[in-house]
Amino acid sequence: KNEVEQSPQNLTAQEGEFITINCSYSVGISALHWLQQHPGGGIVSLFMLSSGKKKHGRLIATINIQEKHSSLHITASHPRDSAVYICAVWGYNFNKFYFGSGTKLNVKP
Amino acid sequence: DSGVTQTPKHLITATGQRVTLRCSPRSGDLSVYWYQQSLDQGLQFLIQYYNGEERAKGNILERFSAQQFPDLHSELNLSSLELGDSALYFCASSVGGRDNSPLHFGNGTRLTVT
Repeated sequence: KNEVEQSPQNLTAQEGEFITINCSYSVGISALHWLQQHPGGGIVSLFMLSSGKKKHGRLIATINIQEKHSSLHITASHPRDSAVYICAVWGYNFNKFYFGSGTKLNVKP
Repeated sequence: DSGVTQTPKHLITATGQRVTLRCSPRSGDLSVYWYQQSLDQGLQFLIQYYNGEERAKGNILERFSAQQFPDLHSELNLSSLELGDSALYFCASSVGGRDNSPLHFGNGTRLTVT
């Protein structure tokens, strides 16, 4: 069983739609990261969360520590949001990163 | 631009060989993390250095080693290379040492072992 599970694995949306990507984890964590990887391969860190909610432009990330769950929301999606979104957590018990398998998002114009 | 520099961008080598990947962290960042991304296994955490010392270890093979130098740049050494070591290798840096600060990723080194 993977320590970090993401859903959905693939997501196709029309431009303008509201998008939600979910991440559940089974280990104790000190922080959760949402990463974006574009087709060219580069990785950008979108958010680091240890509690509550963060917003940056059209992106919103939330985390519920008790339920071991985080969501990444994209409002008014745009084709340039097409990328793979990866959830990563730092497990404090074993002092290492665990990664989800990623959600491949395709936003059509 | 994340401020993290990885060299080389691409590397093609043969099985059994040894290579060194280099990472210069963003100015002011003390931690360097190394990750491997292969097609079949996704992103995996290899190792973390903080201010010159190993801080955390992930799924790093014994054939792989890393170090962080006094100027804070880091090198990942891969030896006795196998076909399965072909992957993208990323480094990231952060200010803190306990994952309480955002990560800044380099553009990666694509290693192809033939």
